[in-house]
Amino acid sequence: DIQMTQSPSSVSASVGDRVTITCRASHSINDWVAWYQQKPGKAPKLLIYGASSLQSGVPSRFSGSGSGTEFTLSISRLQPEDFATYYCQQTSSFPLAFGGGTKVEI
Amino acid sequence: QVQLQESGPGLVKPSETLSLTCTVSDGSISDSSYHWDWIRQPPGKGLEWIGSVYYLGGSLYNPSLKSRVTISIDTSKNQFSLKLASVTAADTALYYCARLSRAYEYWGQGTLVTVSS
Repeated sequence: DIQMTQSPSSVSASVGDRVTITCRASHSINDWVAWYQQKPGKAPKLLIYGASSLQSGVPSRFSGSGSGTEFTLSISRLQPEDFATYYCQQTSSFPLAFGGGTKVEI
Repeated sequence: QVQLQESGPGLVKPSETLSLTCTVSDGSISDSSYHWDWIRQPPGKGLEWIGSVYYLGGSLYNPSLKSRVTISIDTSKNQFSLKLASVTAADTALYYCARLSRAYEYWGQGTLVTVSS
């Protein structure tokens, strides 16, 4: 089974900052990674799929990169609405797995 | 666009079976491009994949839950369902259904299930 290790678990940032979140897969998963944003009381929202493809309607300040076992989600110029929890997920093979989450807070 | 809606009891007694249904609208559950999944999130914790079902009926489960989980599909009703047997307080969570292609583009709003006597 493939495990996803996400870091950091939390990050303090300010509006306008650049934030980078990392996910490491226990085995190579090519580009089968997705990133989600979750706000309290809401279902997760898809931001990035295929490691670097921006989901329709997602602002361009969000970007994803990586392949194999190392992946990053970057948020340039953090906006107030970006304070949330972010999760990576591998969709390369079953059982699917999520990272532990990163809370981006002020 | 596709919409998913979870339904089922919000309170289940310990040792009983949790049963939820996800109704899919504005899209066919028989579309061969997708799997249909259940994901859960205990209060204040992260996301856990429960399992997945395909329109032909094949299903895959999280090994940690496999002995207790059954996911089935009813193409005539455009629904898929989750059954989790022998529940304990550790199964208290927000349960989501979602559509899987390369990722979960569409999610239900989630339904909170509390396990308590």
